[in-house]
Amino acid sequence: GQNIDQPTEMTATEGAIVQINCTYQTSGFNGLFWYQQHAGEAPTFLSYNVLDGLEEKGRFSSFLSRSKGYSYLLLKELQMKDSASYLCAVYNTDKLIFGTGTRLQVFP
Amino acid sequence: KAGVTQTPRYLIKTRGQQVTLSCSPISGHRSVSWYQQTPGQGLQFLFEYFSETQRNKGNFPGRFSGRQFSNSRSEMNVSTLELGDSALYLCASSWGSGTGRNNEQFFGPGTRLTVL
Repeated sequence: GQNIDQPTEMTATEGAIVQINCTYQTSGFNGLFWYQQHAGEAPTFLSYNVLDGLEEKGRFSSFLSRSKGYSYLLLKELQMKDSASYLCAVYNTDKLIFGTGTRLQVFP
Repeated sequence: KAGVTQTPRYLIKTRGQQVTLSCSPISGHRSVSWYQQTPGQGLQFLFEYFSETQRNKGNFPGRFSGRQFSNSRSEMNVSTLELGDSALYLCASSWGSGTGRNNEQFFGPGTRLTVL
């Protein structure tokens, strides 16, 4: 079967660093996406990994290990506006499969 | 460039009725995917259309159907509504079908369907 696991909720303090983990077991793998979704809004694209390693984009970085079926999203210098849900999604052979998302709350 | 638009934004129906949701993709995008989002299940893939053809389908009953028009606009239909169909229905468009760094999906704001 297809399975993508993420923690349900996380909390962090403004200015801190937080790492959101995602593990997956899918029948195929053609890339892993991270999306951010603020309450009541559409998901927006954050990052894409298809090869092992770290992809850095400003305050956000995403890491992938295909052999371990593991990815993480690293958020640095947290800001209040980073309070949102973070969705991990794997593109298997022909479609995107989403995890249930991690709700991050950033406190002052 | 205008984003993905979905209409209506909110809808209230009763059990047994049917509903049609509309999605207009970003100009130039030929692929439209539909997802159901509920608090417990997250986003679940319904189907994908590319150049008016259904490419893929998720594990939903036949009551859920869709189509795509020649201008890439897509509609999704749910017949014989059930209480469990209450959810946020999101559509996403991309330039092509399949995965890839340059083929990310852009999501619309969704249609929130409530079935009473």
